[in-house]
Amino acid sequence: SQTIHQWPATLVQPVGSPLSLECTVEGTSNPNLYWYRQAAGRGLQLLFYSVGIGQISSEVPQNLSASRPQDRQFILSSKKLLLSDSGFYLCAWKFRAGWSGANVLTFGAGSRLTVL
Amino acid sequence: ELKVEQNPLFLSMQEGKNYTIYCNYSTTSDRLYWYRQDPGKSLESLFVLLSNGAVKQEGRLMASLDTKARLSTLHITAAVHDLSATYFCAVDILYYSGNTPLVFGKGTRLSVIA
Repeated sequence: SQTIHQWPATLVQPVGSPLSLECTVEGTSNPNLYWYRQAAGRGLQLLFYSVGIGQISSEVPQNLSASRPQDRQFILSSKKLLLSDSGFYLCAWKFRAGWSGANVLTFGAGSRLTVL
Repeated sequence: ELKVEQNPLFLSMQEGKNYTIYCNYSTTSDRLYWYRQDPGKSLESLFVLLSNGAVKQEGRLMASLDTKARLSTLHITAAVHDLSATYFCAVDILYYSGNTPLVFGKGTRLSVIA
């Protein structure tokens, strides 16, 4: 079965510090991978998605970047955090089932970032 | 640009009552998903609706899809406290490519009170 791991689960960082959040998927190959952010009490904002190694689509221009160095690894980074980067970061994967499939998006447990 | 609108955004209901959450979307699609999020937790898939007229039920929740009206509903029957959570609908466009991300509504925060 497929599992998705995110870490760290919680972190508190000062403004101006770097960030690295990691997401890995097990039990599948060539998944589509996504990073979403959820501000406190708000909906989901799609940040980045990737359909393959080295392929990144950015949905919102901002202080963050993403990379996909391996097939099942997706990394969210920042060189200098802002207060507005605080939030709940969710990684998700989707099997590319196409016409016949449900294309269900499966989420990791999330990483809660507080920038002070 | 696809827009997905949920209403209400906040819902406080008494235990034992029935209610419906609505999800409207602006572009043709027959792939719609409902997710549940407990406070402080991640999202969990509830229902997958893959065609016009699709109906799925689990426990006190029932979801349906009307692709012609571009509307999905999540009906709650005889609410209990355990159903308190935020419910998101999400629409999949260009699903045949499998690549595009889902577009989520803003979520409906449900609180079931005694």
